[in-house]
Amino acid sequence: RKEVEQDPGPFNVPEGATVAFNCTYSNSASQSFFWYRQDCRKEPKLLMSVYSSGNEDGRFTAQLNRASQYISLLIRDSKLSDSATYLCVVKQNGTSYGKLTFGQGTILTVHP
Amino acid sequence: NAGVTQTPKFQVLKTGQSMTLQCAQDMNHNSMYWYRQDPGMGLRLIYYSASEGTTDKGEVPNGYNVSRLNKREFSLRLESAAPSQTSVYFCASSNTGLSEEQFFGPGTRLTVL
Repeated sequence: RKEVEQDPGPFNVPEGATVAFNCTYSNSASQSFFWYRQDCRKEPKLLMSVYSSGNEDGRFTAQLNRASQYISLLIRDSKLSDSATYLCVVKQNGTSYGKLTFGQGTILTVHP
Repeated sequence: NAGVTQTPKFQVLKTGQSMTLQCAQDMNHNSMYWYRQDPGMGLRLIYYSASEGTTDKGEVPNGYNVSRLNKREFSLRLESAAPSQTSVYFCASSNTGLSEEQFFGPGTRLTVL
């Protein structure tokens, strides 16, 4: 089983739609969680960290369920510019230097 | 600030050739990383350097060596390139901390024929 698993998609949604991505992780000792965004042929960039209480940044909402080892990202009112690959990222326990494990990514295409 | 820079952007090698990928960061970060990204595999850690003067193997270190030249620079060397090393290589850096963000360079697209 992969340490971090995501539905690779692709998700094709119209502008204005709400779309949700899920991610599961296998190591129950994982301590930090993130969503990164990667545009086509570009480098990954941090979209948002995921906190235990859930957090929101504008149209983006991230949730963490430690009991189910599950992370989600919700995008409301999708824009064309949201088209990208979304990477679920987990930091393992005991790694103060920042060793991250990446999911394979979920592809989102927002169309007019 | 340039952030994280990588050279070259593109490279084509023949099997058995060697090359060094260069990475530099100007954010005064302690930790630096080398990843490779292949379709359907996600990013996989090759080597990392938690701080200047230290390097350690990641998930897929075979066929690679690294040098943390100073706090700014972290190079990745392929001694004898193989077609299986065709990939996109990303360098990243971060500060030491619990939830630190990693900043990535633009990547090097390497093809080994």
